Amino acid sequence: SQTIHQWPATLVQPVGSPLSLECTVEGTSNPNLYWYRQAAGRGLQLLFYSVGIGQISSEVPQNLSASRPQDRQFILSSKKLLLSDSGFYLCARAASGGYEQYFGPGTRLTVT
Amino acid sequence: AQSVTQPDIHITVSEGASLELRCNYSYGATPYLFWYVQSPGQGLQLLLKYFSGDTLVQGIKGFEAEFKRSQSSFNLRKPSVHWSDAAEYFCAVGAGNQFYFGTGTSLTVIP
Repeated sequence: SQTIHQWPATLVQPVGSPLSLECTVEGTSNPNLYWYRQAAGRGLQLLFYSVGIGQISSEVPQNLSASRPQDRQFILSSKKLLLSDSGFYLCARAASGGYEQYFGPGTRLTVT
Repeated sequence: AQSVTQPDIHITVSEGASLELRCNYSYGATPYLFWYVQSPGQGLQLLLKYFSGDTLVQGIKGFEAEFKRSQSSFNLRKPSVHWSDAAEYFCAVGAGNQFYFGTGTSLTVIP
């Protein structure tokens, strides 16, 4: 099966602290990978997507960055968190040979 | 530019009643269309998809959706809602490497 893992599940961090969220994918090679943010009561905002190792496209200028050090690993980072970075972060992959996206379980980030 | 509109922010239905969630899209080419469901604190689960062919598509959990090109719509329906269907529902359009999501419709089911 093609499974998406996200770590950690929940995180509480103070303003100004660094951030690292990890997404790993099983069972597929060279997937397109995506990071979304979902603020409370709102829809999904695409933050970054990657079509391969080291290839990152940023959709929204912000306090965050992404990296893809391995084929099945996608990392979301920040050097200094802002209150506005709070939200639910979702990693997704595009289907192999298809078009739909499949989502991981998400990480709930609260910046205090 | 691509966009997806879900005009209903919140819908309340009684258990056993029928359901229709609206979705309108803007896209210059033939769209790839999707409906997802999200339970509180969870990721998104794919309900159904439309790429081409029959405009009425069947999905999981008894849901179906109909693509109407003339109306740029892809409405989600279910004949009889169950209490477990209470969740957030998102419509999405696929374009190139990206997805464009609507802002979601929150469904409450009254026993």
